[in-house]
Amino acid sequence: DQQVKQNSPSLSVQEGRISILNCDYTNSMFDYFLWYKKYPAEGPTFLISISSIKDKNEDGRFTVFLNKSAKHLSLHIVPSQPGDSAVYFCAASAQSTNAGKSTFGDGTTLTVKP
Amino acid sequence: NAGVTQTPKFQVLKTGQSMTLQCAQDMNHNSMYWYRQDPGMGLRLIYYSASEGTTDKGEVPNGYNVSRLNKREFSLRLESAAPSQTSVYFCASRETHSSYNEQFFGPGTRLTVL
Repeated sequence: DQQVKQNSPSLSVQEGRISILNCDYTNSMFDYFLWYKKYPAEGPTFLISISSIKDKNEDGRFTVFLNKSAKHLSLHIVPSQPGDSAVYFCAASAQSTNAGKSTFGDGTTLTVKP
Repeated sequence: NAGVTQTPKFQVLKTGQSMTLQCAQDMNHNSMYWYRQDPGMGLRLIYYSASEGTTDKGEVPNGYNVSRLNKREFSLRLESAAPSQTSVYFCASRETHSSYNEQFFGPGTRLTVL
């Protein structure tokens, strides 16, 4: 049973518009959520995170929203740029467990068209 | 400061052959991880090491062994490779008391087992 789900395998948006990537989780023990970005032939790189005590975290063009009651988080990119085209992974971890293990979703491929 | 490095970048094995994937980090991180990523899927945790001298199984440990050689190095060994182990392997590290709980990834090793 997948504990972290990204139900949209792909998303295509126009440059300058908003990109919204969604993620759902099932494990109530998760209390830290992260987004990673991955370009082809490279390893994932950390983008933004949020702890369960917050419902929003912003970093420049990137904002993550957390709805704990719905067990849902989303990543908003405004405005979207062609360089944002990549695979985005949602990840979740339970801080109380050892070693900061994270569970990853299957990823959403974002394409930003010029 | 190279971050997380992995060798080799590519490898082709025949069924039954063995090999060791090497990983090293120069960020003085305590925790290290090995993941595999199959097409269209997220990263699945194979093994992790919370600190030097300790290793634990992740989600998909069968067919693999690991060694935390020292704080810097964490190797992954395939004793008898199988076609089902064809995948891209990522090593990652994390600082125990990180503000963002993020992991730092290497560039990956693309392994094909014939």
